[in-house]
Amino acid sequence: GAVVSQHPSWVICKSGTSVKIECRSLDFQATTMFWYRQFPKQSLMLMATSNEGSKATYEQGVEKDKFLINHASLTLSTLTVTSAHPEDSSFYICSATGGTGRDEQYFGPGTRLTVT
Amino acid sequence: SQQGEEDPQALSIQEGENATMNCSYKTSINNLQWYRQNSGRGLVHLILIRSNEREKHSGRLRVTLDTSKKSSSLLITASQAADTASYFCATDRDDYKLSFGAGTTVTVRA
Repeated sequence: GAVVSQHPSWVICKSGTSVKIECRSLDFQATTMFWYRQFPKQSLMLMATSNEGSKATYEQGVEKDKFLINHASLTLSTLTVTSAHPEDSSFYICSATGGTGRDEQYFGPGTRLTVT
Repeated sequence: SQQGEEDPQALSIQEGENATMNCSYKTSINNLQWYRQNSGRGLVHLILIRSNEREKHSGRLRVTLDTSKKSSSLLITASQAADTASYFCATDRDDYKLSFGAGTTVTVRA
């Protein structure tokens, strides 16, 4: 089946630093990748959609300069949290689809970010 | 934005019992999906039901969809300890992005 990996699985960083999270589709080409964040005991909130080779589309209320997304290849998308603050601490999950975006999304295992 | 509302928020059942959770949504959909999330992990896709379908089965899972009431239910029969997890419904928006419900946390007691 389709496998999506994320790296790192968890990261602790100091306030003011930047953190990069990678999302990879291991056995299929992901034309579209999605980034979600999830606070404890809450649901997933879509942050942005990235298509290979084009700029990401951000959801309302998500700061694009704060959360930089790069979908440089058909198997890799990265999310960089710039100048991280404690309120950015969250569980970040990516998903990928190989079709037009209507196909089933395959989810990565998530990355736990803690900003101290 | 979040479209789905799920109830109950939490459910505790004895092993072997059935678990039922409901999802309501607000706008028209192409399909509705159910996912499972174990604590601190990613999501596992359980089942997709299209808007023209009323019921779907997969193993011990049964999903119903009532588009007139804009609601869906997920039934897990003969629950097992491994079913302990959070369950989310997700609807596709007009732009085919997913909007997740708040989730139901299921605890199966041995």
